[in-house]
Amino acid sequence: GNSVTQMEGPVTLSEEAFLTINCTYTATGYPSLFWYVQYPGEGLQLLLKATKADDKGSNKGFEATYRKETTSFHLEKGSVQVSDSAVYFCALRDNAGNMLTFGGGTRLMVKP
Amino acid sequence: NAGVMQNPRHLVRRRGQEARLRCSPMKGHSHVYWYRQLPEEGLKFMVYLQKENIIDESGMPKERFSAEFPKEGPSILRIQQVVRGDSAAYFCASSPDRGANEKLFFGSGTQLSVL
Repeated sequence: GNSVTQMEGPVTLSEEAFLTINCTYTATGYPSLFWYVQYPGEGLQLLLKATKADDKGSNKGFEATYRKETTSFHLEKGSVQVSDSAVYFCALRDNAGNMLTFGGGTRLMVKP
Repeated sequence: NAGVMQNPRHLVRRRGQEARLRCSPMKGHSHVYWYRQLPEEGLKFMVYLQKENIIDESGMPKERFSAEFPKEGPSILRIQQVVRGDSAAYFCASSPDRGANEKLFFGSGTQLSVL
């Protein structure tokens, strides 16, 4: 079946540091890949997505590239802010399209 | 336009009691998804419903769990005779179309604690 594996947190960084959160997946076919973010006390929000190999999703300074050869979709940001502190979830949706398969989430804490 | 509303935010039940979790989708959304997040795990799909229909319940435990999305009113996730292993965060999401992740919105979740 489908699965998503994320690096465990928490990840603690200083403001303006470079961020990488690793995500790898297992799926048949060509799934769509997503990053969701959950700010404290809120629901999950779609951060970015990529629907085919070599696509790069980007939003709010975050980027992730769909790498089929390494089955990865790592999240990166060049300079994090305190306001980026949240839990980040990597997810995939297969061609059936009914459901998302999520990773375990990675908590990011950014200190001033 | 209010977002996806879930209530209660926190629910405490003793073993053997019933838990009812409510989800009001965004206005204009007729597709509802329920996910469960066990401690230290990712979100797991439970069930996908459209108005008055269960479309996919492949993630629902076979016993004690049921879900509905009536023509009027919120979607309800019902857990009968709760056990400690049911303690988790339950998230609801809604969308106007099937599989439209760009338009998929999540609620803040209900944290169920079983004593």
